[in-house]
Amino acid sequence: DADVTQTPRNRITKTGKRIMLECSQTKGHDRMYWYRQDPGLGLRLIYYSFDVKDINKGEISDGYSVSRQAQAKFSLSLESAIPNQTALYFCATSDSSRSGNNEQFFGPGTRLTVL
Amino acid sequence: AQSVSQHNHHVILSEAASLELGCNYSYGGTVNLFWYVQYPGQHLQLLLKYFSGDPLVKGIKGFEAEFIKSKFSFNLRKPSVQWSDTAEYFCAVLSYNTDKLIFGTGTRLQVFP
Repeated sequence: DADVTQTPRNRITKTGKRIMLECSQTKGHDRMYWYRQDPGLGLRLIYYSFDVKDINKGEISDGYSVSRQAQAKFSLSLESAIPNQTALYFCATSDSSRSGNNEQFFGPGTRLTVL
Repeated sequence: AQSVSQHNHHVILSEAASLELGCNYSYGGTVNLFWYVQYPGQHLQLLLKYFSGDPLVKGIKGFEAEFIKSKFSFNLRKPSVQWSDTAEYFCAVLSYNTDKLIFGTGTRLQVFP
């Protein structure tokens, strides 16, 4: 069973549409993250949340918003999708209680295409 | 600002060749270091990690990496690659101060039989 799941796995949408990507985890971790991956650029942090009441912008948050509905759920929204948001999106989790061992665990990714 | 540099963008090897992928980071404080691998069509998987202790870290599938603090480097090595090692490899650094994971741009490895 997957510990970090993402839905949908693939999505094609049109410019201007609102899109929500969802992430759920069964690891019991308090911290969750959203990244996007673009060829040649690696992974870049969009938003992160250290607990349910804590939301922080990453390096490329413009055009995105997030919601931490519960400790286990962290959603990423594109209010009005544009073509340069076409990318592979990854959710990740980590456990702050494991001091000195804060490895992040990644979901399978969502491939988003904006036409 | 923190950054991670992977100097090799695309590496092509024959099976049984030795591999070394470079990774340098710019941050002077305490860090955790990671190598992740992404096989074609799959998600990121942890290859190995360094938190403290022995700077030579062994990971899965015969990979190892050496943390050289004076050089701000964490190079990945494998003595003899296999066709199944074809993948993209990402170095990542997490600083204790920011608690954010910074990725390098990745190295695409192609291994031919």
